[in-house]
Amino acid sequence: AQSVAQPEDQVNVAEGNPLTVKCTYSVSGNPYLFWYVQYPNRGLQFLLKYITGDNLVKGSYGFEAEFNKSQTSFHLKKPSALVSDSALYFCAVSAPFSGGYNKLIFGAGTRLAVHP
Amino acid sequence: EAGVTQFPSHSVIEKGQTVTLRCDPISGHDNLYWYRRVMGKEIKFLLHFVKESKQDESGMPNNRFLAERTGGTYSTLKVQPAELEDSGVYFCASSPSLAGSYEQYFGPGTRLTVT
Repeated sequence: AQSVAQPEDQVNVAEGNPLTVKCTYSVSGNPYLFWYVQYPNRGLQFLLKYITGDNLVKGSYGFEAEFNKSQTSFHLKKPSALVSDSALYFCAVSAPFSGGYNKLIFGAGTRLAVHP
Repeated sequence: EAGVTQFPSHSVIEKGQTVTLRCDPISGHDNLYWYRRVMGKEIKFLLHFVKESKQDESGMPNNRFLAERTGGTYSTLKVQPAELEDSGVYFCASSPSLAGSYEQYFGPGTRLTVT
């Protein structure tokens, strides 16, 4: 069955340190992968995507993610965390044989807390 | 460019009542989607419109849910009669029908509480 796993409910990191938010997936066919962020009382905001090409993709606010096909992972990273990065992060995937590219399958979300 | 808007932002109703949620997509976006997040779990797909046509409604939980997109502009999602398990945050998203455009743009959501 198609699914997305975000194994950590919460990630805590000190400001200035690197951060990683993990995501693995299980779908049929070549996946399209996305990261979204939700700030308090706001909607989901698109951060970055992998469609094809270079496995390392860069997105908004200094975030990047690496597509690893063998490990079926798409971890979100940032070299130096800011307190303002504190938010809820969602990984999502779409795939041709898992509902098609228009149907996003989401993970449960990971809350990132960056401490001063 | 105005983003996706949803109304109301919050709704509290009693079990058995009817509620209608509204979504206004980004102007010019042919694709409109509804998703739902229940009890802090995964955000789950409900359905997808292309203009006024339902392209995929495989995620609609049961026949108490009715989605419409008359004229291919805004969409409504009606829940009738509401049950306790319908509580959650309902998100709407839209996207253009352009080659190479795969991300969906989300609204702020409507938080529905059924008591």
